[in-house]
Order: sequence, then structure tokens, then C-alpha cells
Amino acid sequence: NAGVMQNPRHLVRRRGQEARLRCSPMKGHSHVYWYRQLPEEGLKFMVYLQKENIIDESGMPKERFSAEFPKEGPSILRIQQVVRGDSAAYFCASSPEFYEQYFGPGTRLTVT
Amino acid sequence: EDKVVQSPLSLVVHEGDTVTLNCSYEVTNFRSLLWYKQEKKAPTFLFMLTSSGIEKKSGRLSSILDKKELFSILNITATQTGDSAVYLCAVNQGAQKLVFGQGTRLTINP
Repeated sequence: NAGVMQNPRHLVRRRGQEARLRCSPMKGHSHVYWYRQLPEEGLKFMVYLQKENIIDESGMPKERFSAEFPKEGPSILRIQQVVRGDSAAYFCASSPEFYEQYFGPGTRLTVT
Repeated sequence: EDKVVQSPLSLVVHEGDTVTLNCSYEVTNFRSLLWYKQEKKAPTFLFMLTSSGIEKKSGRLSSILDKKELFSILNITATQTGDSAVYLCAVNQGAQKLVFGQGTRLTINP
């Protein structure tokens, strides 16, 4: 059973470009979560999704950030018009119903 | 404001020592407390605690939760260099949102 998959592992974008981060949950998991980790800080919750539904986006910045988890395919975290402050590691986690969350390897976004 | 505080932030010990990592929390809703180990990549799940006073154990690692005093400890006995990592504590508030502490960076010297 493959773990949570994220791609790309590293992403470099210039200021103003768009970043798309992908997450495929573990097989059988219908809940997906996105977290952001700034250097030397803990993980901060961004958004919780189930298939085709955003359940909780209280940690997501109001502008430029969006997330989806379509019926088919991976979950996508999209950041438009990236700025230097968006540089961070973005982790996706998945769980089956209300159990422990399993994390992917993360996408390290660098904005130049 | 909901918060999870870990201590110490950093700890350096010698191989073979026993360490205790602390996690205290103040949250509006509590469903469970989780411990993760993070090396250079994904946090890997260690324990989930929901009930007070029941120790969870896995090899040299063990953890216990005190819901009255709002804290948990993670113990590692007979430490090895492979235990070097950042240990993260998180509280599940229900609705599946995890609130993380800042982590304890543990370094085991040979």
C-alpha cells in the first residue's frame, strides 16, 4: 500500500507565477489535509477536504490560495501570483474517516 | 487562542540515555493528541492518545496523556543515533484540524 504521494517534491517559481501542488492520498483514504511549514516552525493547518467538498478552510489565506479534491484524480493546492513569503514546505496528509493522519513527503516551494 | 507548546525546543544527549519530551495544550475542543517524528521529510506517525493515564508503547518509545493537567509526555529509552529528529506533538480538535506544537529537536550523539 503506497503512502501519501506528493509532487513535485521541489518547485521553483518566480514572483507572480502560479504554483500547483498535487497530493494523492493513501488507498482507501477519503480525507485530505494540507499543512504549511515555514523554516524552523511547526506545521500550520491550511485546509481539510473530502471528495468534491471543502470541509474546513479556516487556515487558508483568503486571497491567491485555493484547494480542490475532485471526484477523480489528486488533490490540488493552487497558489496564484506567488510571493517570496509563500516559500515553505507544503505537506499533504490523508486519513480514513476520523483516524490518525498520514503525511506525504512534502513539496518544497521556493519563490525567487 | 488554541495552542500547543512543546518543551524543550532542543535537546542533545548521548546514545543510551533516556529522554522525556513534553507537550502541553490549551484548546477549545479536544478529540485526541498525536505524536509524530519528522526527519528530513514527512512526519511519521508514532502515537495517538485519547484517554488519560493509558500508556501507549512501541519498542523503546512510550507516551501517556493527562487530560486533567492538559499535557502529554513522550519517552524514549536507550536512545540511538537514529532517534535524532524533530518530534512533533499535535492536538486534534475535532473536525480533523490538527494544531501542532513547534517541535522538539532531539540530537543523539554517539
